[in-house]
Amino acid sequence: AQSVTQLGSHVSVSEGALVLLRCNYSSSVPPYLFWYVQYPNQGLQLLLKYTSAATLVKGINGFEAEFKKSETSFHLTKPSAHMSDAAEYFCAVSRGGSNYKLTFGKGTLLTVNP
Amino acid sequence: SAVISQKPSRDICQRGTSLTIQCQVDSQVTMMFWYRQQPGQSLTLIATANQGSEATYESGFVIDKFPISRPNLTFSTLTVSNMSPEDSSIYLCSVWAANNEKLFFGSGTQLSVL
Repeated sequence: AQSVTQLGSHVSVSEGALVLLRCNYSSSVPPYLFWYVQYPNQGLQLLLKYTSAATLVKGINGFEAEFKKSETSFHLTKPSAHMSDAAEYFCAVSRGGSNYKLTFGKGTLLTVNP
Repeated sequence: SAVISQKPSRDICQRGTSLTIQCQVDSQVTMMFWYRQQPGQSLTLIATANQGSEATYESGFVIDKFPISRPNLTFSTLTVSNMSPEDSSIYLCSVWAANNEKLFFGSGTQLSVL
């Protein structure tokens, strides 16, 4: 069975600082991995996905994530936080190799301080 | 991209009643899903809404509690039946857009059961 653990339910950074959101997964098959963002009162939006191509994946809004098989991790980073990045971020792993049946982590709320 | 309209956006309901949530997509999609996001928890897949046949439910979810309709390729409903306070959650509709291999989400229905 697949599972996702997001370390830290709440991360707070200063504007301009590095953003690092942690995600570890377990999967019995080679995984597809995803990061989604949810802004207040909006649906989830796909930030980026890993599907066994390049291990460093670039997404929208300057975010990127690196797949590290040896560490079973898929951490999300952004070099410089912007106020507009404040949102909840969800890591997800595919179930059975599909892109659309996902197991989600509990989410990490990112706060950006001026 | 797929634009998803989900109604209602929020509701407060009495114990023992039922609520039907509607999901309308602006294009025909093969795969539609319903997720639940309980307070402080991750998103959990309830079921896959199949056009022209019964929905496929995930472990822990049953048709009597969460009947789903999918009359065509752009519309689905989820009913939360005989509600209890434990059903208080955000319910999200999602669709798989095969042309760009993305899962899109509606903005959710926030349900509170008193």
